[in-house]
Amino acid sequence: DADVTQTPRNRITKTGKRIMLECSQTKGHDRMYWYRQDPGLGLRLIYYSFDVKDINKGEISDGYSVSRQAQAKFSLSLESAIPNQTALYFCATSDLVRDLTRAGELFFGEGSRLTVL
Amino acid sequence: AQTVTQSQPEMSVQEAETVTLSCTYDTSESDYYLFWYKQPPSRQMILVIRQEAYKQQNATENRFSVNFQKAAKSFSLKISDSQLGDAAMYFCEEGGSEKLVFGKGTKLTVNP
Repeated sequence: DADVTQTPRNRITKTGKRIMLECSQTKGHDRMYWYRQDPGLGLRLIYYSFDVKDINKGEISDGYSVSRQAQAKFSLSLESAIPNQTALYFCATSDLVRDLTRAGELFFGEGSRLTVL
Repeated sequence: AQTVTQSQPEMSVQEAETVTLSCTYDTSESDYYLFWYKQPPSRQMILVIRQEAYKQQNATENRFSVNFQKAAKSFSLKISDSQLGDAAMYFCEEGGSEKLVFGKGTKLTVNP
């Protein structure tokens, strides 16, 4: 099984619908991230969390919200989806503190491709 | 704010040849790490190589090596003996602070 699991892998929805993308990890990492990938724009940070009580906005948080339900779970919500939120979404984890030899290295899920019509 | 620039949106290389992908960054952090990730068509993000900024020696991983120029804030990736399986998007990342910043990527094509 994958260390970082995202669901769903693919989703097509309509404008105005509420969508939740879920991420769970078995790596025991404290830090979790949501990125959005668009062609020509690379990966842009939406939200990140360093523990259950710590949620931070990234570069492009407008239109998104997150929930850190547990150390292992970090969900991304689109309250009212719009077409320009069509993208590939990645969840990632890292463990800066406990393992300095891997400081900053991200471990990615397989991505969730979202299409908003 | 940190920025990472990959100036080559696309590159191509002949199989068995060598190619270098460029990356420059701008950070105010004193201690940071740099990474190259590969994204094949399967879309999975795979770590290729990492470099600790405090180390002067350039990192190498088999056919992959970096040219790290700290003063110039440059971190290029060299792929030697290119293989068809190297065809992918490559992303440079600077990870010295809370927000891990990526470049926009370079699409590498490997021609047989």
